Amino acid sequence: QKEVEQDPGPLSVPEGAIVSLNCTYSNSAFQYFMWYRQYSRKGPELLMYTYSSGNKEDGRFTAQVDKSSKYISLFIRDSQPSDSATYLCAMIIIQGAQKLVFGQGTRLTINP
Amino acid sequence: NAGVMQNPRHLVRRRGQEARLRCSPMKGHSHVYWYRQLPEEGLKFMVYLQKENIIDESGMPKERFSAEFPKEGPSILRIQQVVRGDSAAYFCASSGTQETQYFGPGTRLLVL
Repeated sequence: QKEVEQDPGPLSVPEGAIVSLNCTYSNSAFQYFMWYRQYSRKGPELLMYTYSSGNKEDGRFTAQVDKSSKYISLFIRDSQPSDSATYLCAMIIIQGAQKLVFGQGTRLTINP
Repeated sequence: NAGVMQNPRHLVRRRGQEARLRCSPMKGHSHVYWYRQLPEEGLKFMVYLQKENIIDESGMPKERFSAEFPKEGPSILRIQQVVRGDSAAYFCASSGTQETQYFGPGTRLLVL
């Protein structure tokens, strides 16, 4: 079983739709949770990071963490064609290894 | 304010040659991480370095791979005697704080 599970998609939605991206994880020691966006043949770009359970909002993006269920989500409101990319969830244990553990990534396409 | 820089962006090597990948962290960052991304897969941690020290190399293959982050100059990921299975995108990330890592554009290695 992978430490972090993420549906690879692909996911295709019309412009303006609300997008929901999700990851589950098995290691309760994870402390910080991130979402990265990666355009084709580019490096991952940090979108948001959260520490505690609950919601964090930044513009059209909302990150949600439920530590009791080991489940994190990213919501994109009013989706735009420029949001078309692969979205990677990642999480980290601060003490010790410092390494990010990534999900496989979900490929998202927003259709005009 | 330059981000994480990596060079070369593309590297072609024949089997048995050496590949040397360079990474300059963001200004003020002292933590460097290397990740590998195989086609259609998420990023996998390889090694975590601070200046002149390897902190965690648990994700790096035991043979042919080495990494350094000298007191002066960029971090180097070295792959000796490359094989076709080494073909991948190699990403460097840097951080100032421990939880937020910022990625470079990557080096795409192709082994012929």
